[in-house]
Amino acid sequence: QVQLVESGGGLVRPLRSLRLSCEASGFVFSDYYMTWIRQTPGKGLEWISYISNSGNTKYYADSLKGRFTISRDNAKNSLYLHINSLRVEDTAVYYCARPPITGTPQAFDLWGQGTTVTVSP
Amino acid sequence: DIQMTQSPSSLSASVGDRVTITCQASQDIGNFLNWYQQKPGKAPKLLIYDVFNLETGVPSRFSGSGSGTHFTLTINSLQPADIGTYYCQQYDSLPLTFGGGTKVNI
Repeated sequence: QVQLVESGGGLVRPLRSLRLSCEASGFVFSDYYMTWIRQTPGKGLEWISYISNSGNTKYYADSLKGRFTISRDNAKNSLYLHINSLRVEDTAVYYCARPPITGTPQAFDLWGQGTTVTVSP
Repeated sequence: DIQMTQSPSSLSASVGDRVTITCQASQDIGNFLNWYQQKPGKAPKLLIYDVFNLETGVPSRFSGSGSGTHFTLTINSLQPADIGTYYCQQYDSLPLTFGGGTKVNI
């Protein structure tokens, strides 16, 4: 079954760190660029970052650069997002997503179910 | 960053109605636009890519049009299954950005 399953969310205190994971199955994970997107009631859908299929190329939203780190382990069919110095405004549902074709992600036809991160004192 | 502005933010229509949602980009994005449908508690689902191409399995009552800065998603003959929130997304340049969403009710 082709799917993405996120994990690692939860309730965390401000300034702590968190690592989110996304496990892929049912397709050749190492062929695809992968993306993290988050959704908040206030800001809606926000693109965070993408990583090339090899892991050598990474892009981040400027507003999030520095605190967010994307990585992948193709041997484990897994994508990761490490978030440092968490802020209340990082509270969101975090999705990993895959484009429909290999290459630079332009659209997303496969999404995980999302993992919820709540940052609160 | 390219700002994507959707209107209306919400609408209520009857079964069988034709519904139109617009998406305006803050600069020319050519044809680099996609549409998603999201139901409560679920991830967004790709509906239309590259302005007017229907994703596999999407009913033909959905259609997309536009270019440059002005885009439209049309639902011909609205059905109960179409309830949800619709988002446009540009991929002309990074960061990829989404519209604020249009919530469709019946």
